[in-house]
Amino acid sequence: EIVLTQSPGTLSLSPGERATLSCRASQSVTSSYLAWYQQKPGQAPRLLIYDASSRATGIPDRFSGSGSGTDFTLTISSLEPEDFAVYYCQQYGSSFTFGQGTKLEIK
Amino acid sequence: EVQMLESGGGLVQPGGSLRLSCAASGFTFYAYALTWVRQAPGKGLEWVSSFSGSGGTTYYADSVKGRFTISRDISKNTLYLQMSSLRGEDTAVYYCAKTTSISVRRPFDYWGQGTLVTVSS
Repeated sequence: EIVLTQSPGTLSLSPGERATLSCRASQSVTSSYLAWYQQKPGQAPRLLIYDASSRATGIPDRFSGSGSGTDFTLTISSLEPEDFAVYYCQQYGSSFTFGQGTKLEIK
Repeated sequence: EVQMLESGGGLVQPGGSLRLSCAASGFTFYAYALTWVRQAPGKGLEWVSSFSGSGGTTYYADSVKGRFTISRDISKNTLYLQMSSLRGEDTAVYYCAKTTSISVRRPFDYWGQGTLVTVSS
């Protein structure tokens, strides 16, 4: 099973700042089959990025994904108030696994 | 508009059974793989089971294999999860989600709001 480790566990930033979230896999992710989801309290997850770097429909361009192999990054270029949430990475190349999440909180 | 609406959650005793339903609309039901994902209270996301769009293949997490069964009724546009031999660690919000293609090896682009299953005596 591919284990995904996200860092940091919590990220404290202010609106307007740049956020960089990391996801490291225990082995190479097939075909960069790596997605990022955003989840707010009491809500279902929302797909942001798939195939490591493709934005899902309706996702603002301040969200971007990069990486390959075992190291992936989600970048939010300039934080909006609605971006503070928990973010999960997921691989779907070999069965399915999620990272443990990164909580993005307001500083 | 794509909608996924789960139902069937509730309180069940350890060792008991429960069937979850997910009514889908707004897309061609049989043309997409569908999935169940769960989230224990205050915890992260865990994939549970998937059903390929072609209808030929089902997939299960090791933690539920042999206890849970995924199925679908195309005539009702509904996905099911039959859960048996339930344990305390199965307590979670269960989400159904649509995959972006007929293949299960794709991300989940639409999710329901979830249904809570509590396993307790």
